[in-house]
Amino acid sequence: QVQLVESGGRVVQPGTSLRLSCVASGFSFSSFSMEWVRQAPGKGLERVAFISFEGSTRYYADSVEGRFTISRDNSKNTVYLDLNSVRSDDTAVYYCVDRFIRGQGTRVTVSS
Amino acid sequence: DIQMTQSPSTLSASVGDRVTITCRASQSIGRWLAWYQQRPGKAPKVLISEASTLEIGVPSRFSATGSGTDFTLTISSLQPDDFATYYCQQYSHYVTFGPGTRVDVK
Repeated sequence: QVQLVESGGRVVQPGTSLRLSCVASGFSFSSFSMEWVRQAPGKGLERVAFISFEGSTRYYADSVEGRFTISRDNSKNTVYLDLNSVRSDDTAVYYCVDRFIRGQGTRVTVSS
Repeated sequence: DIQMTQSPSTLSASVGDRVTITCRASQSIGRWLAWYQQRPGKAPKVLISEASTLEIGVPSRFSATGSGTDFTLTISSLQPDDFATYYCQQYSHYVTFGPGTRVDVK
C-alpha cells in the first residue's frame, strides 16, 4: 500500500526558514519523480516544486522560485522541501505527490 | 504547463440527485486523470484514477469517463456524505489541478 507521510510544518515568522519532509513507502521510490503541492486556506491546489526520480531535474512555481528548494534522498525514501524567506502567502497545507495526494499534509503558517 | 478547468464552480443539489461535473485539459492527457473529493478541514481523497478506475472502497454511485481533453465525474444518487468539493487532476505531465467544484445543499 502506497503511503506518503509529510512532516515539518509549524508556525514561523516571515523571512525565516523551515524544512518539510515526506517519507514514502509501498512503492519503488527511487523510480518515481516527486512533487510538492500546497493549498492555502480556502483556496485550490497549487503545484510548488518537482524533482525527477534521480534528482537531476527540478522545476519550481514562479511564486517560490529562488526561495524554495526541493531535494530527495533515495536511500531514505524521502523527499524534502526547504522553504526560505517565507512570506504570509506561503501559509498553506503542503502535500507531497508521486502521482496522487495520498497523505494528510503538513501545515505551514507564516505569521509575525 | 497543462491547464485544467472545471465546470460548474458550484453546484446546488439535493439528496438523491444525479450530479455531473466536467473537467477539461488544455491539451491531450490521454487517460491520466484523477478525481478527488475534499471535505472541509480534510485532505483531498482520490476517488478515481486513470480517468475511470474507482479506487478501493469508493462507492459505486461514483463513476467517471473521458479521455484526451474532456472528462466527466458523475454521482448517480447524491448522498449526504457527498456534499464536498471535487477536484480533477492531470498527471500526464507533472501534476496540475482543476479549480474545484463545490457541491452544496440546494
